[in-house]
Amino acid sequence: DTAVSQTPKYLVTQMGNDKSIKCEQNLGHDTMYWYKQDSKKFLKIMFSYNNKELIINETVPNRFSPKSPDKAHLNLHINSLELGDSAVYFCASSQAVLTPDTQYFGPGTRLTVL
Amino acid sequence: AQKITQTQPGMFVQEKEAVTLDCTYDTSDPSYGLFWYKQPSSGEMIFLIYQGSYDQQNATEGRYSLNFQKARKSANLVISASQLGDSAMYFCAMREGISSGSARQLTFGSGTQLTVLP
Repeated sequence: DTAVSQTPKYLVTQMGNDKSIKCEQNLGHDTMYWYKQDSKKFLKIMFSYNNKELIINETVPNRFSPKSPDKAHLNLHINSLELGDSAVYFCASSQAVLTPDTQYFGPGTRLTVL
Repeated sequence: AQKITQTQPGMFVQEKEAVTLDCTYDTSDPSYGLFWYKQPSSGEMIFLIYQGSYDQQNATEGRYSLNFQKARKSANLVISASQLGDSAMYFCAMREGISSGSARQLTFGSGTQLTVLP
């Protein structure tokens, strides 16, 4: 009965590689998000999709590309990985029309770029 | 300018005592929401409690309560009867335009690491 799931949980890769992180939610929410948590634990929004439409696109290198095949899935593809991309990436979901539209987070994906 | 400020990087509390984690915020939007999340060492982000800017009463959820002082722009989390399992990082976050019906991101503070001592 997992609400928001992410795969993989850990990802170790070499600089220059391309990798993807997958996220799925079974809460019936219409909005999904990607957040990045850096080594100092600071969390920052990267992207948000509402009903498969990109609605938030923060200042993120264009090596990062989100894709939402349907409203239950939001994947994050990263090209040409750099050392600075090492972080924990969290997916979250919410139902935008609700007040509050509480965001529920996945378990996170720890990405390590060597 | 920081929208969410958590001034306590680390806090210690004795088991069974109450502890207050501070959070101040900055917004010109009259319609906003404040959220607290817990991140244990296992890494997941757990939603704890929510306070809306128009809510008349302070939010409570079990042992968690929010000391919401709108004029001071503070939304401190109070944990009563601390347990060892409360040891974690706690994040305060704000969502502006809470009544807009459109999705907006959460803006997080830098977090407070709480350690509960036996």
